Amino acid sequence: EIVLTQSPGTLSLSPGERATLSCRASQSVSSSYLAWYQQKPGQAPRLLIYVASSRATGIPDRFSGSGSGTDFTLTISRLEPEDFAVYYCQQYGSTPITFGQGTRLEIK
Amino acid sequence: EVQLVESGGGLVQPGRSLRISCSASGFPFGDHAMGWFRQAPGKGPEWVGFIRSKAHGGTAEYDASVKGRFTISRDDSKSIAYLQMNSLKTEDTAVYYCSRDGDFGFDFWGQGTLVTVSS
Repeated sequence: EIVLTQSPGTLSLSPGERATLSCRASQSVSSSYLAWYQQKPGQAPRLLIYVASSRATGIPDRFSGSGSGTDFTLTISRLEPEDFAVYYCQQYGSTPITFGQGTRLEIK
Repeated sequence: EVQLVESGGGLVQPGRSLRISCSASGFPFGDHAMGWFRQAPGKGPEWVGFIRSKAHGGTAEYDASVKGRFTISRDDSKSIAYLQMNSLKTEDTAVYYCSRDGDFGFDFWGQGTLVTVSS
């Protein structure tokens, strides 16, 4: 099983600032099948990034993903008020499909 | 517009069974694998399993925590995926989501249905 470790656990920033979220895998993620999701209270996860760096349909270009192998990053270039939420990484290159424990992005 | 709607959740006693459904619309259902995920209160999402499209064998894979107790099936003529849950445990309490496996990941999710396992 691939264990995903996200850091930091909580990130406190202000609107307009840049956010950098990390996801480290316990072993290499096959074909960079690494996704990032945003989740707000009472809502389903929303796909932001797939295959490590491709934005899903309708996702603003302030969201970007990078990385390969075992180290991946989600960057939000300029935070908007609606970006404050919990973010999860997920690997789907091998079963069991696994998620990181999440990073809470909160308003400073 | 892609839509996924889960139904059938509710309160069930430990050891009993429950079947939840996922009705899909807005895309060629039979062409896609479908996944089930769950999220316990205050926790992160967790993979339950998925079922491949008929073109890819129609077989299912499961997380170890549910293997042998849960079964995923699909009815392509009705665009519905099912999750049959047997021998339910209190730790199965969660919101259950179905999701479409797009070309490169699980791209659309339903709103979820709450399953509470309690005596």
